[in-house]
Amino acid sequence: NAGVTQTPKFQVLKTGQSMTLQCAQDMNHNSMYWYRQDPGMGLRLIYYSASEGTTDKGEVPNGYNVSRLNKREFSLRLESAAPSQTSVYFCASKTEHTGELFFGEGSRLTVL
Amino acid sequence: GENVEQHPSTLSVQEGDSAVIKCTYSDSASNYFPWYKQELGKRPQLIIDIRSNVGEKKDQRIAVTLNKTAKHFSLHITETQPEDSAVYFCAASLGISSGSARQLTFGSGTQLTVLP
Repeated sequence: NAGVTQTPKFQVLKTGQSMTLQCAQDMNHNSMYWYRQDPGMGLRLIYYSASEGTTDKGEVPNGYNVSRLNKREFSLRLESAAPSQTSVYFCASKTEHTGELFFGEGSRLTVL
Repeated sequence: GENVEQHPSTLSVQEGDSAVIKCTYSDSASNYFPWYKQELGKRPQLIIDIRSNVGEKKDQRIAVTLNKTAKHFSLHITETQPEDSAVYFCAASLGISSGSARQLTFGSGTQLTVLP
């Protein structure tokens, strides 16, 4: 039982390059999320998926796209990376039982 | 939307002393208030939460209090230990069901350092 796994853990991109962050959970949760964490700004929601086949924008969606491939997987794509997207990205899933969020280990992205 | 403010941003205490972190929220409809702890280089993890139908909840050395009238809630850690050193995030939400997924809003975090 791995919980929430996300890849890659580290990535360096040049401005304008694209990449996809992958996330998978094995807890059979309906809801999945992508957050970014920046110093002094807490965790800000980028996109979320309340169930398979649905996605919705969070607080800071500009410059990102997501895909809920199936119940397990929720990917985040940067089509044309910008330095402002340098951040640590966390994927999470939620148990509706208690509302607890389970986070992945994080992906540190640097855009030069 | 919801706005959550968290204070202080940094807090240093001597081992054995108590630590208090405070949060305020703006949406009076919020009814679920979790606290997450993030150790250096690790993922955030839930440590305690409270729902609006109670005023206080305790779990060993940690407790959370909620004042719905004033729209603020606090985390209290007693008898602090070095392993309590971490970043703590408060959050507020309209609920815990899938339909309210969007409304979990986090505070900006508090770096707690427990000095030996």
